Order: sequence, then C-alpha cells, then structure tokens
Amino acid sequence: AQSVTQLDSHVSVSEGTPVLLRCNYSSSYSPSLFWYVQHPNKGLQLLLKYTSAATLVKGINGFEAEFKKSETSFHLTKPSAHMSDAAEYFCVVTIPNSGGYQKVTFGTGTKLQVIP
Amino acid sequence: SQTIHQWPATLVQPVGSPLSLECTVEGTSNPNLYWYRQAAGRGLQLLFYSVGIGQISSEVPQNLSASRPQDRQFILSSKKLLLSDSGFYLCAWRDTGDTEAFFGQGTRLTVV
Repeated sequence: AQSVTQLDSHVSVSEGTPVLLRCNYSSSYSPSLFWYVQHPNKGLQLLLKYTSAATLVKGINGFEAEFKKSETSFHLTKPSAHMSDAAEYFCVVTIPNSGGYQKVTFGTGTKLQVIP
Repeated sequence: SQTIHQWPATLVQPVGSPLSLECTVEGTSNPNLYWYRQAAGRGLQLLFYSVGIGQISSEVPQNLSASRPQDRQFILSSKKLLLSDSGFYLCAWRDTGDTEAFFGQGTRLTVV
C-alpha cells in the first residue's frame, strides 16, 4: 500500500525567508509525486510534478522539490516566501495498479502562514 | 484544451435533504473521474472514482453515492444529508495512462 506523510500541519515563515514543506512517501512501486496548492475556498492547483525524469523539479511561483529515493522524500522549497504563498499545500503520490487505474493518495496538507 | 466544471460553488442544505453535485469535463474522452472530500482539519479523502460510464468504485462507506451517466459527467448524490457531510468537495479528472490530475474549483457544502 502507498501512503504520504506531511510532517507539519502548519508552517509559519516571515516574508522573504525560505520555505520548507516536508513530505515523505511509501510505495512498493516507482511513484509519481506531485505538490498541489489550495488557496482558501479555491480548487487545487498543480505546483510541480515528478514522473521519473530529473530528480530536482521546478514548478510555478518559484517553488521546487527534490525527489530523494534513498530518503523517500519529496520536500517542497522556495528561497523567499511571498505573502501570496499563504495557502494549504498537498503532497500527492500516484502509482498504477493491476487494473490500469492509478491510485491517487493525498497527504493531510500543510498550511503555510507568511508573516509580514 | 481540457476544462472541468463543478457546480455549485457553495451550498447550504438542511439535514435530511437530498444532494446533487455535478461535474463535467470538456476536451477529453473516457477520462478517469474522481470525487474527493476535504473535511476541516483533514486532508483530501477519495470518495469515488470512475474509469468509465456506469462504472463507480467507492473508497469509503458513507452516506453518499456517485453516478456517471455520460462519459464526461460525474454526479455526487445523497438521499438524506447528515451534518457530518459538511465539507469541501472536489471533482477531478485524469487521462488514462497519465499521472497528473486536474481539479475543479470545489463546492463548499454546509449542512445545517
């Protein structure tokens, strides 16, 4: 079975300082990994995805994530936080099953607060 | 290009009333379709997924049901809402064989 663990339910940073949102996964197969962002009462927006190409993935709005197989991690980072980054972030893993369906598993989310 | 429409955006319903949330996808055919719920303080929970017309799989037992009457239409329903059904519901689609999922804007359901 696959699972995703987001280690922090809340992260608070000052504007202009680095952001680190942690994600660990477990999977018996080679997973695809994603980070989504959700602003209040809005749908989910894809930030970036890893699908077995380069392990360092760059996404929108200056975010990036590094896939580390040895650590089973896919942490999301940004060098300098902006007020507009305040939102909830979800780490997601997908793996194919025998029926061709890809099971999608979400982490419980990390709420990012940016302090002016 | 592909788009996904989900409505309504917000809904307030009394306990015991029925529910129907609709989701449609444009610009693709035979997509995999999903309904997720996000309860306060919790992550996204997969409720139902569908790989084709009339094919519905439920991930968790609950007071809700889903139907797929057309290839690009996915409906979430309930005959009698419970207070615990309150939450943020998201519809999503994904092309078969692809890994990325695309989400609707969500429906904020409040059961009173």
